Amino acid sequence: DAGVIQSPRHEVTEMGQEVTLRCKPISGHDYLFWYRQTMMRGLELLIYFNNNVPIDDSGMPEDRFSAKMPNASFSTLKIQPSEPRDSAVYFCASSPIDRRGHYEQFFGPGTRLTVL
Amino acid sequence: AQRVTQPEKLLSVFKGAPVELKCNYSYSGSPELFWYVQYSRQRLQLLLRHISRESIKGFTADLNKGETSFHLKKPFAQEEDSAMYYCALTMKTSYDKVIFGPGTSLSVIP
Repeated sequence: DAGVIQSPRHEVTEMGQEVTLRCKPISGHDYLFWYRQTMMRGLELLIYFNNNVPIDDSGMPEDRFSAKMPNASFSTLKIQPSEPRDSAVYFCASSPIDRRGHYEQFFGPGTRLTVL
Repeated sequence: AQRVTQPEKLLSVFKGAPVELKCNYSYSGSPELFWYVQYSRQRLQLLLRHISRESIKGFTADLNKGETSFHLKKPFAQEEDSAMYYCALTMKTSYDKVIFGPGTSLSVIP
């Protein structure tokens, strides 16, 4: 099992351009999470899905950010238009369901986004 | 609001010295606490969870509800322990969501 897969691994774009980040969770995991990591703010939860349904998007910074999960094996995080302050590492993580809270999040390798 | 704090952004210790990474949380209910670790060029991964009461790679962490702390400790630091460490909390009322602290970068000096 390759674990959580993210693409691209690195993305350099210019301000104003649309950016789409992709994630393939581990098969069988019911939860999918999108995080943003920066030096200043650490690891921030942006949005998470349960069975493809968005549950909490309160961490999405602005309307420029949107996320979708059209099926159990694919999710996208889109930034349109992108701005230099969006530069960060974006992580996707998936988790199996366990109502006792005894679960573990499995992280992807991250996408390093640079907006010039 | 639920919150996890890690007061040290950077921590340097010498090889063989004891290490303690501090974590405090604010939550009125009964939390589940975790430590995640990110080694250089590797993925963020679970190190240990308080309910397991286990020692992983020589690390232990005890939940102190009175002090609302979950400090990570190791008696003798090794060079391979150098990494970014995140303390995290799950609320029993919302198992889905994990709140991460800002992280502590540990550097073990040979």
